[in-house]
Amino acid sequence: SQELEQSPQSLIVQEGKNLTINCTSSKTLYGLYWYKQKYGEGLIFLMMLQKGGEEKSHEKITAKLDEKKQQSSLHITASQPSHAGIYLCGAEGGNSNYQLIWGAGTKLIIKP
Amino acid sequence: DAGVTQSPTHLIKTRGQQVTLRCSPKSGHDTVSWYQQALGQGPQFIFQYYEEEERQRGNFPDRFSGHQFPNYSSELNVNALLLGDSALYLCASSFSRSEQFFGPGTRLTVL
Repeated sequence: SQELEQSPQSLIVQEGKNLTINCTSSKTLYGLYWYKQKYGEGLIFLMMLQKGGEEKSHEKITAKLDEKKQQSSLHITASQPSHAGIYLCGAEGGNSNYQLIWGAGTKLIIKP
Repeated sequence: DAGVTQSPTHLIKTRGQQVTLRCSPKSGHDTVSWYQQALGQGPQFIFQYYEEEERQRGNFPDRFSGHQFPNYSSELNVNALLLGDSALYLCASSFSRSEQFFGPGTRLTVL
């Protein structure tokens, strides 16, 4: 079965600094989603990547899917307190597989 | 647009009891997925409903069952509750295979 590994598990970053979160899959990714979660709350959709080499940006957050489609990275530029939370990557299992498999999450803390 | 709504917000039950959680999808969405999220972990897929039928099921026992109504809203039922069922239960809706929009979740505590 497919597994997603996120790194690091947690991250403490000084406000204004850049950071990167990684998501590595044990199998080829057919669709990779990035979500953000505030503690104990629902998930907020950030971005979806489908094509190898694809890169998307929203405000100060950029996500990439590598050419081999087995790893994605999420990069935050000039971090702000509003970026604090848990970042989760989720992946589709394939054409006939509707479920999303999830990583364990990366907890991001922004130090003022 | 109200987005995805879930009820109740919090719930406390005792072992052996039964619980029903409810979800209303975002307007225009026809697919509802349910997830269980234990503290400090990613969500685990329970099942997905489409056209009032369970389209796919994750690795959860038969104690977990669901339903989707003609208006696309959905219920998650859990029978014979165990301590290990304590978790945040998330509902997500989507249109076909587009990105999923999540509700705020229901926090279930089993004592």
